Amino acid sequence: EPEVTQTPSHQVTQMGQEVILRCVPISNHLYFYWYRQILGQKVEFLVSFYNNEISEKSEIFDDQFSVERPDGSNFTLKIRSTKLEDSAMYFCASVGEETQYFGPGTRLLVL
Amino acid sequence: GQQLNQSPQSMFIQEGEDVSMNCTSSSIFNTWLWYKQDPGEGPVLLIALYKAGELTSNGRLTAQFGITRKDSFLNISASIPSDVGIYFCAGLFNTNAGKSTFGDGTTLTVKP
Repeated sequence: EPEVTQTPSHQVTQMGQEVILRCVPISNHLYFYWYRQILGQKVEFLVSFYNNEISEKSEIFDDQFSVERPDGSNFTLKIRSTKLEDSAMYFCASVGEETQYFGPGTRLLVL
Repeated sequence: GQQLNQSPQSMFIQEGEDVSMNCTSSSIFNTWLWYKQDPGEGPVLLIALYKAGELTSNGRLTAQFGITRKDSFLNISASIPSDVGIYFCAGLFNTNAGKSTFGDGTTLTVKP
């Protein structure tokens, strides 16, 4: 069964460093998303992406965040200068057959 | 923005008991999704609902899309220890393209 994959599974970084989180959505899906989940809290929408551009973003998705689809398969989330409060699980998702499928997540820890 | 109220926040039940949880919204959704999340993992889709009034089952799980399109419930019958986890409802307004708005989750503990 096709699935969304994410790398790395865990990332530890120093405050102020840049991180890039990678996702490979399900191959015939056209809409892609990033969500985050701070430990013990609910899943929060960050950004949606369609046709090589951002279609919607939340107030969390500020200038420190960017997304890119550099080739036909990868979908990346970049955080330019990480802050302590960026520590969270980051989930990629893609939509197909009217259903949203989530990847296993990247656990980001900012020290 | 859209808000989902999910209840109960947590449940402690005996193995074999039935479980019911629900979500209500201040605005309508066109799709309701129910996910289960195990610690350190991503949400796994359990049931998807696309039409108001729809009642859908997946094994011991049954979910319904409320007639008003502002609510949904999930029932688990004859719970087993592996049902332990956090259950999230999620609503989508634009089914094919929109973001999901998640509820706060229901943490289920099943005592053998």
